[in-house]
This record gives sequence, C-alpha cells and structure tokens, in this order.
Amino acid sequence: ILNVEQSPQSLHVQEGDSTNFTCSFPSSNFYALHWYRWETAKSPEALFVMTLNGDEKKKGRISATLNTKEGYSYLYIKGSQPEDSATYLCAFKAPGYSTLTFGKGTMLLVSP
Amino acid sequence: DAGVIQSPRHEVTEMGQEVTLRCKPISGHNSLFWYRQTMMRGLELLIYFNNNVPIDDSGMPEDRFSAKMPNASFSTLKIQPSEPRDSAVYFCASSLTGGSGANVLTFGAGSRLTVL
Repeated sequence: ILNVEQSPQSLHVQEGDSTNFTCSFPSSNFYALHWYRWETAKSPEALFVMTLNGDEKKKGRISATLNTKEGYSYLYIKGSQPEDSATYLCAFKAPGYSTLTFGKGTMLLVSP
Repeated sequence: DAGVIQSPRHEVTEMGQEVTLRCKPISGHNSLFWYRQTMMRGLELLIYFNNNVPIDDSGMPEDRFSAKMPNASFSTLKIQPSEPRDSAVYFCASSLTGGSGANVLTFGAGSRLTVL
C-alpha cells in the first residue's frame, strides 16, 4: 500500500493571501505526480502532471514543484481569490502499480 | 466531447435493494476507473479497466459489489444487496493508457448514493 499524505488537511485564508500546501509520497519509487482541483458539488479536474525531479508547472496564479528525491510536491497559490476555494488532491503513480494513489486532499477556503 | 457521463446523479434507496450506477467514458479513452469518495477514506479506487478488461479490482469492498465493461463506451457498477455503509459518492473516470500514469484522469460528475 502506498502512502500519500497531504498537509494541512484544511486551510482558511483571506483574499489576497498567498498560500501553499504539501503532498508527500514514497521517494524510493516514482513515476508521476498529479494535482487535481475539486470544487464542491463538482468533479475533480486536473491541474498538473509532473514526472521529472525539479519539475515546475504553472497555470495562472497556481504553480507546483516536485522533489522526487525527498518525496514531496508543493502547490502554491499566489494572491488567493474566493474562487480558489476547493479541495486540492494530489495523486502518485509508482512503477509496477496499475493506478494512481490519491491523498485525502487539502481543503482551501478563501474568504473575501 | 461531453466528458465522462454518469447516471444517476443521485440515488436514494432502501437497504437490501440493488443499485446500478452507469458510466460513459470519453470516446477514445481506453482506461476506466470507478472511485468511491467518503469522509473517512477520501477517494479510493474500486476497480480499473483497461481496454474493457478488469485489471485491478482489489479495491472492490466485497462480493456485493460488481463491475462490468461490456464495450468501450459503457460501464456499470452494481451493489447487491445495498447497505447503509455503501452511502457515498461514486465517481467514474477515464483516461488514455491509464497505466502509464502520465495521462490525467477525467472525472464524471459523480453519483451520490444514499442507502437508508
């Protein structure tokens, strides 16, 4: 069983604050790391897929970094807006495993 | 493409009844996944099909759960008999060559099941 941990479990920030959260995964065996954004009453939507150590991806105010040697990925949101409120899921793929393993997510609430 | 289509969106049923959830993946995607989302366990994989063949069903909770994929455009998840602890949101997702890991999953809107 692969262990994918996300922290914090939840986060409440004010509009305009920048924030970040962490996804930890087994460093010994890596293939890919996904980030998904999941708004309430909707379905998860893909943000990024990263496969190489040192990868950095950016989409608007959201960016992510990957460190496969130490087994973590950070997701950053610059200047949070209320519409960024969602649960952010990471998912890890290891060689030899047929599917992704999801973390339990970080629930972000951005207040106006 | 209309995306991954799931039905029903909501189902309320009584304990002991049979429940069938349906999924139409994105055309051209050859991998299909059924997930269950609960507060306690988060998003957990139930079963994964590749080219209509079940590859990994280790997440299927027990014999009451079964899943089929008779063709590339349709899959069902059946619970018989249903129990209150099966209450959850069930998501279907599809992707290209799902086993590679580098292809993102596209999720359906989910089916919210309540078993009374």
